[in-house]
Amino acid sequence: DVKVTQSSRYLVKRTGEKVFLECVQDMDHENMFWYRQDPGLGLRLIYFSYDVKMKEKGDIPEGYSVSREKKERFSLILESASTNQTSMYLCASSSSGRVGEQFFGPGTRLTVL
Amino acid sequence: QKEVEQDPGPLSVPEGAIVSLNCTYSNSAFQYFMWYRQYSRKGPELLMYTYSSGNKEDGRFTAQVDKSSKYISLFIRDSQPSDSATYLCAGAGSYQLTFGKGTKLSVIP
Repeated sequence: DVKVTQSSRYLVKRTGEKVFLECVQDMDHENMFWYRQDPGLGLRLIYFSYDVKMKEKGDIPEGYSVSREKKERFSLILESASTNQTSMYLCASSSSGRVGEQFFGPGTRLTVL
Repeated sequence: QKEVEQDPGPLSVPEGAIVSLNCTYSNSAFQYFMWYRQYSRKGPELLMYTYSSGNKEDGRFTAQVDKSSKYISLFIRDSQPSDSATYLCAGAGSYQLTFGKGTKLSVIP
């Protein structure tokens, strides 16, 4: 069974902390994505990567950075967490041949106090 | 203007009803159109994937794309309580998907 896993289901951090969200996929997919999902705003793309060490900004990259050192792993970093980054964070992956077919992880519910 | 518009609902129907979910899009570069289903406290999962205009059927689900009017639809026949979820439409031109905000559907037994 194909799988995208995320390091935590729930996370509580304080304002100003550095936060790492990890995502691992076991499908040998080239593309990986980080989204955030907020009520009334839907899914918004933060960053994506189409290859190891490559990254592209999505629609809302401000306040975030990413790292992809290995094909199966894609990390989202909040350098200095703020309360407006409280959200559901979803990781996804896809193969280069099937653009629209993204496989999502279960999500990390991040609360910044 | 957001590139994909979707009525957020909520939509409530009795079991066995035919459900129609709709989206409009503005980006002419979209080549692929998808419907994702998201159950509460889960990540979205791909339900239907279409490349061109026309209909695509999979069991009780039919996806319809009309590129001339930039309109995409999902029909659910004989709806079941297990269909209760949020349905997200999406369009894609390259790597990136653009999602609608989702329609929350409840199917009442």
